[in-house]
Amino acid sequence: DTGVSQDPRHKITKRGQNVTFRCDPISEHNRLYWYRQTLGQGPEFLTYFQNEAQLEKSRLLSDRFSAERPKGSFSTLEIQRTEQGDSAMYLCASSDLRQGAGNEQFFGPGTRLTVL
Amino acid sequence: RKEVEQDPGPFNVPEGATVAFNCTYSNSASQSFFWYRQDCRKEPKLLMSVYSSGNEDGRFTAQLNRASQYISLLIRDSKLSDSATYLCVVKATFAGAGSYQLTFGKGTKLSVIP
Repeated sequence: DTGVSQDPRHKITKRGQNVTFRCDPISEHNRLYWYRQTLGQGPEFLTYFQNEAQLEKSRLLSDRFSAERPKGSFSTLEIQRTEQGDSAMYLCASSDLRQGAGNEQFFGPGTRLTVL
Repeated sequence: RKEVEQDPGPFNVPEGATVAFNCTYSNSASQSFFWYRQDCRKEPKLLMSVYSSGNEDGRFTAQLNRASQYISLLIRDSKLSDSATYLCVVKATFAGAGSYQLTFGKGTKLSVIP
């Protein structure tokens, strides 16, 4: 399977704990995005990387959230001191910036976070 | 006003029916438009792009009216397998060159009934 993969698929944690999610994009894709989706809503943009550089961050991304893509391949999203309001599906997507690639964003299956 | 607004749904239609989804967007600088499909508990997948001249892909027809900032999706001859949530998506650039963001609507849930 050469699509976007995310790990873990499900995470249950207690309020106040830290959690980290991983995303592996499609191998030749140089752009990687993180989104959050809650029930009944569409995905909301959090941040994106072009190679290893984090180029944009949404106002939704509070200081408890940090994302990295150290080698321009996989990315991690960490949430510190989780709150119940952080419960959501965290989606990762990747796209190919190269000329003519179409720029379509391909989504991974998501990590469903439940904060108790 | 939300950046991307869609019909609230849900739409429950019989097999073979024609169903239309509407979407409006607020950012007049938006450049590209898409419809994504999301099955229950699955990730969104691109259904089709929306072009100014309107475009068709089999039973699916998408239209764009830039003046009214309005996008539509028409599904003809609905199949059971069309049951999903349809997300209207708008692409606009950030201030930085080459950077862009996808903004999703809430989605409209479609259930096609036998």
